[in-house]
Amino acid sequence: GQQVMQIPQYQHVQEGEDFTTYCNSSTTLSNIQWYKQRPGGHPVFLIQLVKSGEVKKQKRLTFQFGEAKKNSSLHITATQTTDVGTYFCVTTSNTGKLIFGQGTTLQVKP
Amino acid sequence: DTGVSQDPRHKITKRGQNVTFRCDPISEHNRLYWYRQTLGQGPEFLTYFQNEAQLEKSRLLSDRFSAERPKGSFSTLEIQRTEQGDSAMYLCASSSQTGYTEAFFGQGTRLTVV
Repeated sequence: GQQVMQIPQYQHVQEGEDFTTYCNSSTTLSNIQWYKQRPGGHPVFLIQLVKSGEVKKQKRLTFQFGEAKKNSSLHITATQTTDVGTYFCVTTSNTGKLIFGQGTTLQVKP
Repeated sequence: DTGVSQDPRHKITKRGQNVTFRCDPISEHNRLYWYRQTLGQGPEFLTYFQNEAQLEKSRLLSDRFSAERPKGSFSTLEIQRTEQGDSAMYLCASSSQTGYTEAFFGQGTRLTVV
């Protein structure tokens, strides 16, 4: 079935450094959603991308959808301790099921 | 409406017992999902409803798992003859049917099988 692969699995950064997580698929994706899960919490929706080459920004977060709609990235500029958590890329199957990547866990050292 | 609610938040059960969890989605949402998450892993799909119809169920699940969504409102997930490997966080999410929309997750039910 359809899968999305996400790397890296873990990332430790010093506060103020940048962070990027990547999501890849062997098939064309209908959409990409990004969720954040804080330690002990539940996934919370951040953003959705549907168009080829789409770029969206939310303050220090930049989300991109590849031209071929097979990859996506989330970039955080100047990380803060509040950015700690696990970031998941998610796509929707043709039956409506949400398919999660494995997630990237971000740790930020103050 | 305060969002997706799940009950109970925590459940400890002995191996072999049956457990049932409840999920109340956001009222106008047609789609309801159940996921299972273990420590350090991403959510694993269990099943998915559109209104009262169960559209898909993971082939990873054994027959010990069953889910219902009577009248397309709340949903229940039952696990029969629990095993230690069933220990996990069980997450419920809902979304509207229109196009690709965000899913709202509940806080989950943490199951511990002893």
